Amino acid sequence: DAGITQSPRHKVTETGTPVTLRCHQTENHRYMYWYRQDPGHGLRLIHYSYGVKDTDKGEVSDGYSVSRSKTEDFLLTLESATSSQTSVYFCAISVGPGGISGYGYTFGSGTRLTVV
Amino acid sequence: DQQVKQNSPSLSVQEGRISILNCDYTNSMFDYFLWYKKYPAEGPTFLISISSIKDKNEDGRFTVFLNKSAKHLSLHIVPSQPGDSAVYFCAASPRSQGNLIFGKGTKLSVKP
Repeated sequence: DAGITQSPRHKVTETGTPVTLRCHQTENHRYMYWYRQDPGHGLRLIHYSYGVKDTDKGEVSDGYSVSRSKTEDFLLTLESATSSQTSVYFCAISVGPGGISGYGYTFGSGTRLTVV
Repeated sequence: DQQVKQNSPSLSVQEGRISILNCDYTNSMFDYFLWYKKYPAEGPTFLISISSIKDKNEDGRFTVFLNKSAKHLSLHIVPSQPGDSAVYFCAASPRSQGNLIFGKGTKLSVKP
């Protein structure tokens, strides 16, 4: 099974502060994704990466930025956290060749972020 | 504008019976459809997928059916077990893109 870890697992932060969430993989997969899960909304794509320094926006990218300086790490930054960004954040990697989504993603265990 | 819809937020089934979870989609350009299972405090786990050129895929107790004319897919779990109790997400892959679009999920409860 693909090794994918997220840190931290839980975080409480204050409105207006920057926050960075980390996703680390051990198997050199090219495609990585950040999703958020909210009640009544399912999983929504924030940003994704198709290689080092290659990223693109998803459905709900406003207020978020990402960076990928190494294959194994994909960072999600909330530039100035707001209460609407209280959510559970999941990182995922595409395990199929060329990122073909029919092979499915492997998800991390999630980061529960609370903005107070 | 939801492209992938799961209209039933919850489903309750007796152990040993069949569970049928449904999903509708609006975009004919999806090339794969997938089902994920999620337990509380864990990440979603991949369950089964189907290519848009097929109408059925089976893996043990799990079968996914695709009806392209109705833009509808369903996941059948037979027989249902209490350990199947979880939230199930339907997802679709737009052609030539590497991302997935998820439905809102259906919470399945299998009662002993």
